[in-house]
Amino acid sequence: GQQVMQIPQYQHVQEGEDFTTYCNSSTTLSNIQWYKQRPGGHPVFLIQLVKSGEVKKQKRLTFQFGEAKKNSSLHITATQTTDVGTYFCAGGQGGKLIFGQGTELSVKP
Amino acid sequence: DGGITQSPKYLFRKEGQNVTLSCEQNLNHDAMYWYRQDPGQGLRLIYYSQIVNDFQKGDIAEGYSVSREKKESFPLTVTSAQKNPTAFYLCASRAGQQYAYGYTFGSGTRLTVV
Repeated sequence: GQQVMQIPQYQHVQEGEDFTTYCNSSTTLSNIQWYKQRPGGHPVFLIQLVKSGEVKKQKRLTFQFGEAKKNSSLHITATQTTDVGTYFCAGGQGGKLIFGQGTELSVKP
Repeated sequence: DGGITQSPKYLFRKEGQNVTLSCEQNLNHDAMYWYRQDPGQGLRLIYYSQIVNDFQKGDIAEGYSVSREKKESFPLTVTSAQKNPTAFYLCASRAGQQYAYGYTFGSGTRLTVV
């Protein structure tokens, strides 16, 4: 079946360093969504990308959707301890979302 | 405030028992979803419903059942046929085809088999 692969699984950074997580699909996606799940919490919607090559920014977060609509990335500039959590991408196909395995980010102060 | 309410937050089940997890939303969303989350894995789709009185199997439906008799409610039953039910269960909803708003998740139910 359709899969969405996300790497890395874990990322440990020093506060102030940058962080990037990558998402790849075996098939073309209609859209890509990104979610953040704090430890012990539930996923919270961050953003959606729909257009080929689209780039969106939310303060220190930059989201990209690949030209072929098969890959995406989330980049955080100058991480803070509040960025701790697991970041999931989710690709849309056939009215449902297929989630990646997530990247768990830890930030050392 | 609008949102999704899942109950209970923690649930313990003896082997061989069926249990039902509650999911209620007051967002007037058409579509509702059940996901299972295991450590180190992403969210896996169990069942989803795009409209009242209709639902479809997701990727891991075996051992689970659902109903959608009301727009607001989408309960999930974990049956004794589910061999490894210990997990974190998340219910989500989405406003029809309004992709731009993403999914709204409940706070989850943590099920443990004892």
